[in-house]
Amino acid sequence: DVKVTQSSRYLVKRTGEKVFLECVQDMDHENMFWYRQDPGLGLRLIYFSYDVKMKEKGDIPEGYSVSREKKERFSLILESASTNQTSMYLCASVAPGMGEKLFFGSGTQLSVL
Amino acid sequence: AQKITQTQPGMFVQEKEAVTLDCTYDTSDPSYGLFWYKQPSSGEMIFLIYQGSYDQQNATEGRYSLNFQKARKSANLVISASQLGDSAMYFCAMRGRTYNTDKLIFGTGTRLQVFP
Repeated sequence: DVKVTQSSRYLVKRTGEKVFLECVQDMDHENMFWYRQDPGLGLRLIYFSYDVKMKEKGDIPEGYSVSREKKERFSLILESASTNQTSMYLCASVAPGMGEKLFFGSGTQLSVL
Repeated sequence: AQKITQTQPGMFVQEKEAVTLDCTYDTSDPSYGLFWYKQPSSGEMIFLIYQGSYDQQNATEGRYSLNFQKARKSANLVISASQLGDSAMYFCAMRGRTYNTDKLIFGTGTRLQVFP
């Protein structure tokens, strides 16, 4: 079974801190995604990557950056965390075929105080 | 630009009845895929059903079927014979491919409540 692992289930940080959210998948998937989930807003795409060192902005990239140095790892970086970045962050990976389903991590609930 | 719209924030249905959850989409990609995911209160995302843009028939998976109307750009999920365990958030999603990038976006979701 594909596993997508997010390093932390809960994280509490202070405003202005640099925050790293790590995601690792074990199925050699090219495509990886970072979403944030907020009540009433659904899942919004922050960044995605279709290959090592390749990244594309999603719909809400402001305040975030990403890193994909190895195929299995996709990191989301909050350069200077702000309270409006308090959210559930979900990482996902998927195989290349159009009909392939996403595999999700269990999510990281980030609170920025 | 791609967009997914789910206009029903919440739906109620009685057990054993059928329910339709609406989803419309917008894309300029010639080839795309449409998905439905279920998210129960536990938070995990559960894949339900997939429809490809070139598929001639509507997808079905057990009690789930996808009513795909390409000209209207709609991909509604139909759940037949609702069960109490169907109470959850439901998300419609679309996967499109532009050049060599592969983007997958979600709608805002519909919360379904099944009552006895």
